[in-house]
Amino acid sequence: GENVEQHPSTLSVQEGDSAVIKCTYSDSASNYFPWYKQELGKRPQLIIDIRSNVGEKKDQRIAVTLNKTAKHFSLHITETQPEDSAVYFCAARLGYSTLTFGKGTMLLVSP
Amino acid sequence: DVKVTQSSRYLVKRTGEKVFLECVQDMDHENMFWYRQDPGLGLRLIYFSYDVKMKEKGDIPEGYSVSREKKERFSLILESASTNQTSMYLCAGGRAGETQYFGPGTRLLVL
Repeated sequence: GENVEQHPSTLSVQEGDSAVIKCTYSDSASNYFPWYKQELGKRPQLIIDIRSNVGEKKDQRIAVTLNKTAKHFSLHITETQPEDSAVYFCAARLGYSTLTFGKGTMLLVSP
Repeated sequence: DVKVTQSSRYLVKRTGEKVFLECVQDMDHENMFWYRQDPGLGLRLIYFSYDVKMKEKGDIPEGYSVSREKKERFSLILESASTNQTSMYLCAGGRAGETQYFGPGTRLLVL
């Protein structure tokens, strides 16, 4: 089955800096890659996703890039703010099967 | 707006008790999922369902069962709760090939 590895497990940045979280996946046929944000005590919420026919997708301060050859995808957050502090999960899916999640990255943005 | 609800936010049960966790979605989605979330382990899939009365084992089904008698409702059952089942349980729903939407979670403590 699919295997997703996520790095780093924790990330501390200063407000205004950029943050990058990276994930690698094992099955080259995986075709859907969502990112979820989970604030403390709340449910994971989708923040951005990308399909395998696209190399990059942006939504305001967040972007996701996909490198199918290397089988990795990354979340980029620019101009970080304290409210970006949360746990971020990447995931990958093969076809219509289930999502396989990474173990999460705790992002802390210090004012 | 998408809505997934779970019957309890917090539950305290005794070892050996039978525990029911209920999940309801109002999105008319075919797929429903049960995950458990533990620190450092991310989101692990327990069971999922692609249709009424249909169920499939996920990565960690041992000690759990599920029931899906109606499309909107997916129940997770702990036949005989044990202390190692103390965890956060997250339900999710989604259409085939699309993203998943999570419920608020049930934090279960087994004493």
